[in-house]
Order: sequence, then structure tokens, then C-alpha cells
Amino acid sequence: QVQLHESGPGLVKPSETLSLTCTVSAYSISSGFYWGWIRQPPGKGLEWVASVHHSGSTYYSPSLTGRVTISVDTSNNQFSLNVSSVTAADTAVYYCARDTGYNFGNMDFWGQGTLVTVSS
Amino acid sequence: IVLTQSPGTLSLSPGERATLSCRAGERVSSSYLAWYQQKPGQAPRLLISATSTRATGIPDRFSGSGSGTDFTLTISRLEPDDFAVYYCQHYSSSPRWTFGQGTKVEVK
Repeated sequence: QVQLHESGPGLVKPSETLSLTCTVSAYSISSGFYWGWIRQPPGKGLEWVASVHHSGSTYYSPSLTGRVTISVDTSNNQFSLNVSSVTAADTAVYYCARDTGYNFGNMDFWGQGTLVTVSS
Repeated sequence: IVLTQSPGTLSLSPGERATLSCRAGERVSSSYLAWYQQKPGQAPRLLISATSTRATGIPDRFSGSGSGTDFTLTISRLEPDDFAVYYCQHYSSSPRWTFGQGTKVEVK
């Protein structure tokens, strides 16, 4: 069973950069598929943020392009998300997930999520 | 692509049938329409892919149908564990992923 686990600070100050890492187990990122981040503001719906392939290919949400960077570290079987110049609107639970894209059109494995609060 | 889910909230009793709608702003491929269930404090769980294919371990009371712009998730007989929020999702070349705003199925 593929497992994903998010890690990173739970509190970030406005205008700073939010950094999160997702560690994948029981599956090698290099074996294929994309790997993505999805966020959910408190009490609201799901928003896809970005996805990355082990080759380095990336996709970003149009609403966040310019502030978001996603990267992959195959040696540690991890991928990461940076969101710069954060505001209170970036407060959310951030999930990482396996993104099967055009292969199967779904996100089949998810982490448990980590709450990131933007506040001074 | 905008996905509009209706109703926003569905109030039903255990044993009843739930019908959830997901409407796309333009025609989409049924191969790339998925449904997820989310319970409070939990990550979303994949229920259905490619409009009608149940994910591993999903009971057959969950079924999906549709084509073009109109898609439906049906729960034939609601069990207590089914009261949750349900999201539809679509994959495309750009933007890669779109979610509907969700339908909450609550106990009447």
C-alpha cells in the first residue's frame, strides 16, 4: 500500500515562504506517475496546487503560478512544495497525493494532510 | 473547466438513495471524471474513476454514471458511514485538475 506523509511548519508568517515535504513509502517515485499537492482552506473545498514527475516535469494551478514551486528528490523518495509571499488566504490543510494523470485520471493515494496557518 | 455540484447539501435518512450531480461547463472526457468521499478531519478517499469504475474496496452501493457534461454519483442505500462530503474531479491537459465545490450528505 502506497503511503504518503506531509511534513513542515504549522505556522508561517505573512510574506514569508511556506515549505512542505511529502515522503512516499512502499512505492518508488521514480517508478512513474506524477505527485501532487492539494490544499483545503478551513471549511472549504479542495484546490489542486501543483504536480511533479520524477523527470522534473511540472504543472501548476493557474491561480497560483508565480508563487509556487514544486520539486522532487528521488534519492529520498520525496517531493516538496514552496509557496512564497504567503497571506492569510494560504491558510489551509495541505495534502500530498499520487497523481495518476492521463493514465487513470485520479489521485489514488493521499497523505493525512497538514494544517498550515499563516499568521504573525 | 468549471465543475458545478448539486445540491450543496443533501439531507437523507439511512437506507435512502442519494443522487449527487456534477455538471461540467463544457463537454469532458468520461475517462477522466472521478469522485471522492471526505469525512471530517480525514483526507479525501477515491471512490470512482473514469465515471463508473469503483476503486479497490469501495462497496457496490456506490455507482457512477454520465457523459458529456452531466455526471452522477449514486449511493443506493445510505449507511451511517456514508454521511460525508463528496467531490467530483476532472483531469485535463490544462489546468491539470479541477474539483467541484462538493456536496454534503447529512443525516435528516
